[in-house]
Amino acid sequence: EPEVTQTPSHQVTQMGQEVILRCVPISNHLYFYWYRQILGQKVEFLVSFYNNEISEKSEIFDDQFSVERPDGSNFTLKIRSTKLEDSAMYFCASSVGVQRYGYTFGSGTRLTVV
Amino acid sequence: GENVEQHPSTLSVQEGDSAVIKCTYSDSASNYFPWYKQELGKRPQLIIDIRSNVGEKKDQRIAVTLNKTAKHFSLHITETQPEDSAVYFCAASIKGSGNTPLVFGKGTRLSVIA
Repeated sequence: EPEVTQTPSHQVTQMGQEVILRCVPISNHLYFYWYRQILGQKVEFLVSFYNNEISEKSEIFDDQFSVERPDGSNFTLKIRSTKLEDSAMYFCASSVGVQRYGYTFGSGTRLTVV
Repeated sequence: GENVEQHPSTLSVQEGDSAVIKCTYSDSASNYFPWYKQELGKRPQLIIDIRSNVGEKKDQRIAVTLNKTAKHFSLHITETQPEDSAVYFCAASIKGSGNTPLVFGKGTRLSVIA
């Protein structure tokens, strides 16, 4: 079964540092998403990406966040200057398209900001 | 925007009993309602979903019901087993001409006691 792959699985970073979280969506999927989950809380939407541009973003996704699909396969989330409250599990997800149902989540990157 | 409420936050049942988790949503345009199971430290896994053109869907011990008029949907797990213990999330989105992201409920921690 095709999988969404995320790297690294765990990243520890100093407050104020930049981090890049990487995802390889399923190859025939067209929509890509980043979600985050603070420990013990619900999964929260950050941003969706379609046709090489952001299609929707939440209030959480401020100027410190950016996304890219640099080479047609990887999908990255960059946090420019990390804060303690950015510590969370970050999940990448992808879906086929508007008429096909089902989102596939990656295994997540646990980001710890110290 | 969409808001999804989920109840209860925790649920303990004896092995073999049924478990019911309920969600309500606010946006009447939402038409896709998946349920995810998340084990500790792992990704959300889709267990069942329902579209707004049906009122009920069943897959072995798991069933989901949808009441569009009341804007609520429920997950029913029968003959619960210890391996059903996990956090369950409901979600809602609009699939169609656009692809709105999933909006999750806060989760229900289900404990099945052997």
